[in-house]
Amino acid sequence: DAGITQSPRYKITETGRQVTLMCHQTWSHSYMFWYRQDLGHGLRLIYYSAAADITDKGEVPDGYVVSRSKTENFPLTLESATRSQTSVYFCASSARQNTEAFFGQGTRLTVV
Amino acid sequence: AQKITQTQPGMFVQEKEAVTLDCTYDTSDPSYGLFWYKQPSSGEMIFLIYQGSYDQQNATEGRYSLNFQKARKSANLVISASQLGDSAMYFCAMREAANRLAFGKGNQVVVIP
Repeated sequence: DAGITQSPRYKITETGRQVTLMCHQTWSHSYMFWYRQDLGHGLRLIYYSAAADITDKGEVPDGYVVSRSKTENFPLTLESATRSQTSVYFCASSARQNTEAFFGQGTRLTVV
Repeated sequence: AQKITQTQPGMFVQEKEAVTLDCTYDTSDPSYGLFWYKQPSSGEMIFLIYQGSYDQQNATEGRYSLNFQKARKSANLVISASQLGDSAMYFCAMREAANRLAFGKGNQVVVIP
């Protein structure tokens, strides 16, 4: 299906485990983003990417790692999950700077 | 540093009335874009409207319009003729030349019949 998809939609993991959230888009958009959404904080940018093999830190990058070896994929890895990383994670993509970003459905991650 | 500010508390608006959602931003970049998104209770993020920093006219998309006041660094969203389906959280966002897309904390709107 065309669009941007995130997997899994829901994930429960234990403190200290590594977990990877997947994001895949079919439009060949250059730009991709990862956000976390927490009550009272809106959406906070974790990492973003302007093209394959180009990534940069956002507002809250600590504890997260990204890669972008292919244009269509932008996985987010929590190296050692902590309870403070319990959140809803959104991936987004956009074609150009002056066009809207399209969002995935979100991944609800719970760290216990 | 917070670059997008949305400070209004939750708002109740009567059906069919207009509502204005405030957004102020901070940037030293002459080229930037401003976006509004809607997030209903189902959770998806829906793009509403875009305004470029060089655009001479205020953006409009159906019942949505953006009141862009560049000198005041203000980009307020106006929703005309509110409908029950407009009940949602609304986010203002800014895209700078560095390609970051940063969001404000959002405004909650509840439309009452």
